[in-house]
Amino acid sequence: SQTIHQWPATLVQPVGSPLSLECTVEGTSNPNLYWYRQAAGRGLQLLFYSVGIGQISSEVPQNLSASRPQDRQFILSSKKLLLSDSGFYLCAWSVEGRYGYTFGSGTRLTVV
Amino acid sequence: AQSVTQPDIHITVSEGASLELRCNYSYGATPYLFWYVQSPGQGLQLLLKYFSGDTLVQGIKGFEAEFKRSQSSFNLRKPSVHWSDAAEYFCAVGVGNTPLVFGKGTRLSVIA
Repeated sequence: SQTIHQWPATLVQPVGSPLSLECTVEGTSNPNLYWYRQAAGRGLQLLFYSVGIGQISSEVPQNLSASRPQDRQFILSSKKLLLSDSGFYLCAWSVEGRYGYTFGSGTRLTVV
Repeated sequence: AQSVTQPDIHITVSEGASLELRCNYSYGATPYLFWYVQSPGQGLQLLLKYFSGDTLVQGIKGFEAEFKRSQSSFNLRKPSVHWSDAAEYFCAVGVGNTPLVFGKGTRLSVIA
């Protein structure tokens, strides 16, 4: 069966520090991968998505970046965190759009 | 532009009462439609989906939703709410393999 792993679960980082969040999927090949950010009362904001290794589409220009070094690995990074980067980050995967997404358990990031 | 609207930010219902959460979308074609549920601090879980066929869709946990093309709506219903249904509910819409667009969510509170 397919599973998605996302870590860490919680993270407290100082302003200006780097960030690396990792997401991996098991049990499927060539998934579409997504990073969403959730802020209170603002729903889910799509940050990046990838349809294949090395293929990244950015939806929101900001100081975050994403990479897909392997088929089932998706990494969200930042060189210097801002206070406004605080939020709940969710990774998700899909095979076909009509079947919906499967989400990871999320990472709560607090930038202090 | 494509959009998803959940008009109710917060709904409170009594345990055992019926529930309807509203979702309206604006898309050029009939999209795929989804409802997700999120417990505090957790990822999103798929409740049900529609992409073709019978417009009344059954999901997990006793939920159902009805697609009404003429109203561009996909409302979620449950005949009798349990205290464990208290959570945040998200409607999502997509076309083809483009990333899903999520509504801002409706928070459901259940009182005794």
